[in-house]
Amino acid sequence: GEDVEQSLFLSVREGDSSVINCTYTDSSSTYLYWYKQEPGAGLQLLTYIFSNMDMKQDQRLTVLLNKKDKHLSLRIADTQTGDSAIYFCAAYGGSQGNLIFGKGTKLSVKP
Amino acid sequence: NAGVTQTPKFQVLKTGQSMTLQCAQDMNHNSMYWYRQDPGMGLRLIYYSASEGTTDKGEVPNGYNVSRLNKREFSLRLESAAPSQTSVYFCASSESYNEQFFGPGTRLTVL
Repeated sequence: GEDVEQSLFLSVREGDSSVINCTYTDSSSTYLYWYKQEPGAGLQLLTYIFSNMDMKQDQRLTVLLNKKDKHLSLRIADTQTGDSAIYFCAAYGGSQGNLIFGKGTKLSVKP
Repeated sequence: NAGVTQTPKFQVLKTGQSMTLQCAQDMNHNSMYWYRQDPGMGLRLIYYSASEGTTDKGEVPNGYNVSRLNKREFSLRLESAAPSQTSVYFCASSESYNEQFFGPGTRLTVL
C-alpha cells in the first residue's frame, strides 16, 4: 500500500524560507495535501496539488511536485514564529482509496 | 457553521472500561473518518464511513467499533479500553476526495 515519508524535524530562523519534503510510493495517487497542526489543535488544510500539476503557489506557500521521483515539497517564504507547527503530507487516490498521512514534520522557527 | 465537533475533549478511563466518542459535522458531507494520533506515528485511520449506512475498517480497527448514526454523526466505541488505546482521537469529514475537515480531537488516557 501507499507509504508517505517525511523528515521529523526542521528548524529555521525567522525570515528565512522553510522547505519541508515528502516522498510517497503510490504513483496512482491523484491528490497530494499539506496539513498544518498547531499545538493542541486538529489538522487544518494548508494547500493541495493535483497530480497533473508541477507547482502551485498560494501567497507565502509554494508546493512543488516531482511525479517521476514521487517527491512533494512545501516551501514557506519569510517564515514567521506563527508558522511553528507540525506539517503533515498526505496522499489520496492510490490503490487504498483513502488519505494516507506521513508522520509529520515539526517546524521550529527561532526569532 | 461549527464544522466538525467532538465530545468529550478529554477522558481518563481505567483498563476494561468502555466509552463512546461522539462526532458530528454540519457541512452535509457524505464521508466521515476516525483517526488516532500517536507520537512519531502520524495519523492512522481506524474506521471510515463513505456514506450514511456504510462503515469500513481502516489501518488499525482492532478494539474499536463505529456507528454512522445518520449523515451528521459518526461515533467510535471502545468496548474494553486498554492502555495501548491511549491516544488523541480525531474525527474528520469530507465530500468524496476533497479536503478533509478535522475536529479538535479527544485526548484519551487509559490507566
